[in-house]
Amino acid sequence: AQSVAQPEDQVNVAEGNPLTVKCTYSVSGNPYLFWYVQYPNRGLQFLLKYITGDNLVKGSYGFEAEFNKSQTSFHLKKPSALVSDSALYFCAALTGGGNKLTFGTGTQLKVEL
Amino acid sequence: GAVVSQHPSWVICKSGTSVKIECRSLDFQATTMFWYRQFPKQSLMLMATSNEGSKATYEQGVEKDKFLINHASLTLSTLTVTSAHPEDSSFYICSASSRAYEQYFGPGTRLTVT
Repeated sequence: AQSVAQPEDQVNVAEGNPLTVKCTYSVSGNPYLFWYVQYPNRGLQFLLKYITGDNLVKGSYGFEAEFNKSQTSFHLKKPSALVSDSALYFCAALTGGGNKLTFGTGTQLKVEL
Repeated sequence: GAVVSQHPSWVICKSGTSVKIECRSLDFQATTMFWYRQFPKQSLMLMATSNEGSKATYEQGVEKDKFLINHASLTLSTLTVTSAHPEDSSFYICSASSRAYEQYFGPGTRLTVT
């Protein structure tokens, strides 16, 4: 079965420090991977995606993610965290023939002063 | 661009009644729309996929007679929760897509059934 895993329920980081939110995947064929952010009682906002090309993908709000095929990972990173980055982050992969998103369980990011 | 709206943003209804949630793509034509359900502090679970003018495809375990989906136009899909019960209380999110690899999400609808 195809799946996406986010091993950490919560990540705490101090403002100004780098942050990493982990994601691993298990999909058949070429992986198409996404990161979304969700603020309380809101829908998902697209951050970035990997379809093909460079393994380092740059996205919105200073976020980037590195695709690592050998480790089947797609970790989200940001060099310097902001308090406003505090939110719920979802990693997702396209499955089901390319039109369905399978989501990880989400990681709550808390950035503190 | 690529804005998706949902209406209402929150709704409270009595057990046994039906409630309709609208999902609109405001600035693009969505050939495909998706409906998700999210429980508190949990991930999104895909309920169904709908293509304009076609019957929706429901995920395993989702009752198609309870969650009626209509995709009448390229900019509008509706989800009707029929004979709602408290266990149907949840956060419902739609997304819309006009091409592969892209889905744009609505802000969600909080349904509370009393």
